Amino acid sequence: SQQGEEDPQALSIQEGENATMNCSYKTSINNLQWYRQNSGRGLVHLILIRSNEREKHSGRLRVTLDTSKKSSSLLITASRAADTASYFCATQRSGAGSYQLTFGKGTKLSVIP
Amino acid sequence: GAGVSQSPSNKVTEKGKDVELRCDPISGHTALYWYRQSLGQGLEFLIYFQGNSAPDKSGLPSDRFSAERTGGSVSTLTIQRTQQEDSAVYLCASSIPTSGSGNEQFFGPGTRLTVL
Repeated sequence: SQQGEEDPQALSIQEGENATMNCSYKTSINNLQWYRQNSGRGLVHLILIRSNEREKHSGRLRVTLDTSKKSSSLLITASRAADTASYFCATQRSGAGSYQLTFGKGTKLSVIP
Repeated sequence: GAGVSQSPSNKVTEKGKDVELRCDPISGHTALYWYRQSLGQGLEFLIYFQGNSAPDKSGLPSDRFSAERTGGSVSTLTIQRTQQEDSAVYLCASSIPTSGSGNEQFFGPGTRLTVL
C-alpha cells in the first residue's frame, strides 16, 4: 500500500530554476529516502535522511524532514534538462519489516532547456 | 562494478501462460527485493530475501506468484497463469544487510511484463 503522497504530481520549470517536491507519510519511520526514475525503468537512490535528522545535502540536492508533520521536501537547485525524471519518496519503518520500502506516487519533473 | 541486472527487459505473454523473471543482484549483497510498479497501484513491495533466512512473502498479491533465490544470489520471480492485471514493470533491488538505521537499495532496470 502507498504510504507517501508526493506533491505536486507534475512540475514543469525552466532550466536554472529550483524545483521543490514534497512528500507526506502516515506512520512512524526509521528513515526517508528519495529516488529518481527515468523513463519508467530502474530507480536511482538520491539521498537518505534518518528520522533523527532534519536536513541533509548532497550536491544540488537538499532534503528536509519534519517528523512532527510527517513530511519531507526535496529541493533541486539550479535545475538542468538532465534532471527531467520522476522523483519518489520512500520510507522504511522501524521494527518488523523495516527493510521494506514504501513508496509515494511520485512527482514528474520536466526541466525545459 | 556491475549493478543489478534483470532479464528479460520486456516480456509479452498471453493470458494464462506462466512467466519467469530473473534478477542478478550486486555481488556481495545478501538482501534481495522484488517490487512491482503498475499504473493503478504505483510501486509495491512483493518479497524480500536475506541470506539463508525464510523470505518475507507478505507482499505477493496471490498464490500465483512465487519467488526463489538459489545459492544466495540469483533470484527468479514466477507468475503462473498470468492475468491482464499482472501487467506491470517488475523491479528487483539488492542491498547489504539491513542495519538498524535502514539502508539504500540498488535497483535493476526492471522487466516490463505485458499480458495480452
